[in-house]
Amino acid sequence: AQSVAQPEDQVNVAEGNPLTVKCTYSVSGNPYLFWYVQYPNRGLQFLLKYITGDNLVKGSYGFEAEFNKSQTSFHLKKPSALVSDSALYFCAVRDQISSGSARQLTFGSGTQLTVLP
Amino acid sequence: DTAVSQTPKYLVTQMGNDKSIKCEQNLGHDTMYWYKQDSKKFLKIMFSYNNKELIINETVPNRFSPKSPDKAHLNLHINSLELGDSAVYFCASSRVSGIQYEQFFGPGTRLTVL
Repeated sequence: AQSVAQPEDQVNVAEGNPLTVKCTYSVSGNPYLFWYVQYPNRGLQFLLKYITGDNLVKGSYGFEAEFNKSQTSFHLKKPSALVSDSALYFCAVRDQISSGSARQLTFGSGTQLTVLP
Repeated sequence: DTAVSQTPKYLVTQMGNDKSIKCEQNLGHDTMYWYKQDSKKFLKIMFSYNNKELIINETVPNRFSPKSPDKAHLNLHINSLELGDSAVYFCASSRVSGIQYEQFFGPGTRLTVL
């Protein structure tokens, strides 16, 4: 079975500082990994994904994530945080080789990012 | 030009009632999904559906059923509503059934069961 862990419920960072939102995963085979962001009272928006190739993935709004197979991690990063980045962030995974319900996306529990002015 | 839309945005109803939530996507996607987000913001897949396959999360009660009149719509029907059904329900869609493709989410429907 596939799973995702986001160990931090809440991350606070000062505006202008770098931010990291952590994600680790577990799958049987190789993973497809995704990050989504949810602003208050809105649906989820896709930020970036890792499918294959370069371990450093760049996405929307200046975010990037690094795939680390040995550590089974896919941490989300941004060099300089903005107040407008404050939102709920979800990591998600699915196994590349799977069938049935395992082909569905499994989401982490979410991390609330607050960027302080 | 909303990509994935849901109606209604808010739904307040009594226990025991039957209700439906509608979802439409204009992205030309072949696969659609329903998710439930609880009060702790935990997101759980309920169904995924394309014209070939309906995948049901085994934890979803059979009071919940998806209905797809065509490729652009996936409605959610809920029978005999219970207090625990109160949540935000999100519809989503993605290109074909390729699991590497990202999903596009609707704005959500907040269901409150009294």
